[in-house]
This record gives sequence, C-alpha cells and structure tokens, in this order.
Amino acid sequence: QLVLTQSPSASASLGASVKLTCTLSSGHSSYAIAWHQQQPEKGPRYLMKLNSDGSHSKGDGIPDRFSGSRSGAERYLTISSLQSEDEADYYCQTWGTGIQVFGGGTKLTVL
Amino acid sequence: EVQLLESGGGLVQPGGSLRLSCAASGFTFSNYGMSWVRQAPGKGLEWVSTVSGSGSSTSYADSVKGRFTISRDNSKNTVYLQMNSLRVEDTAVYYCVKEGRDTNSWYNYWGQGTLVTVSS
Repeated sequence: QLVLTQSPSASASLGASVKLTCTLSSGHSSYAIAWHQQQPEKGPRYLMKLNSDGSHSKGDGIPDRFSGSRSGAERYLTISSLQSEDEADYYCQTWGTGIQVFGGGTKLTVL
Repeated sequence: EVQLLESGGGLVQPGGSLRLSCAASGFTFSNYGMSWVRQAPGKGLEWVSTVSGSGSSTSYADSVKGRFTISRDNSKNTVYLQMNSLRVEDTAVYYCVKEGRDTNSWYNYWGQGTLVTVSS
C-alpha cells in the first residue's frame, strides 16, 4: 500500500534552516513526490516536484530558499534562511495508477 | 496565468446532493488531468477524485466511490464534482487541482477552495 509518513510538527528559529522529511512506504522507494505549502487560513500552494533521482523542479515564484533532496525512501524539503511567512503546514504528495496519496502534513513553527 | 475558480459549495442536509464546478483558465485545459481534493476542518488533505484530460478515465477515493461523480467539459474549460448521498463526514473545503500532465501525476496548481457543509 502506497503511504507517505510525515512528522506532525517541526520548529526552527528565524533565519535558520530546517529539513522536513517525507517517507515512502516499503516497496515504493523509487517514487517521485511533490511538496505543497499551506499557510494559515489559505489554500495549498505547490512548491516543487522531487524526482526519484533527487532532481527537483519548482513552482512559479518559489524562492531559492526552498530545495529538495532524497535518500532511499526518504524525501526532504529544506528551507533555509527561515522567514516568518514560512510558518505553515507542509504536505508531501505522491501518485500511482488511479490513486493520489498525501502525507499527514508537518506543521512548521518559526521561533 | 493559471486560474482555478471553484463554485457550488454551501450547506446541505445529510442525504442531499450538491454539484461543484471549477472554471479553469491560463492553460490548454484538455491536456491535463484535474482532481478534487478536500480538507475537513482542522485536518489534512484528502484526495477525492481525478479525471484524465480527455475525460475518458476517472478514479475515486474509497470514501466517495459510488456517491460522487467527476466529469469535465473541455469546451467550457470546466470540471465538475457531483456529490450525492452526502454525509456529515463529507464536510470540508473542496479544492480543484490541476495535474502536471494528462493523468496520474503531481499537482502543480490549486484553486482557492469552496466550503461544503453537511448538517441538519
């Protein structure tokens, strides 16, 4: 079964960096994923697609502070030089034939 | 500029029906799969349904299968979600989402959402 697992919460200080993790279920370690950001009281916004080879392509207007990487079944979203507006929920998403899957989301708090 | 504008949400009683619409612009509509994703109050994102670019292929989450129907009219650049036999647990903000290619792919644009409340 295709499942994405995310930690419920993370925190980091203003100006620091944070690395969020999304883990693919067993047998699905080669899947690509996408990252989405949802700021408080807003709809989600596409951040980037992270391919199985670690390359990524970002959405319109996404700053260079956002980057993606991978290791095995883990997919990462790194945000550097944290700003207050980065405080948000972050969701990973993957897909298969006739199915779409979201992780449970990580709530990022900027201290 | 890609725009997705949902409409049709509102308050409906359990067992009732509602049809959501999503008007799309800024891209060649028929080339891309379209989905509906919902978010219950205080909860995470849940995939609901997807339709391929041509409309010939559809898929549904188990939670809505047999009750919801997705369709699209490529001449009107609009995707629909017909929701029947609504339940209290269907209460959520429903987002229209564009896929990155014809079907079975990542989401790269989101609408602003429309609220559906199922309550007596």
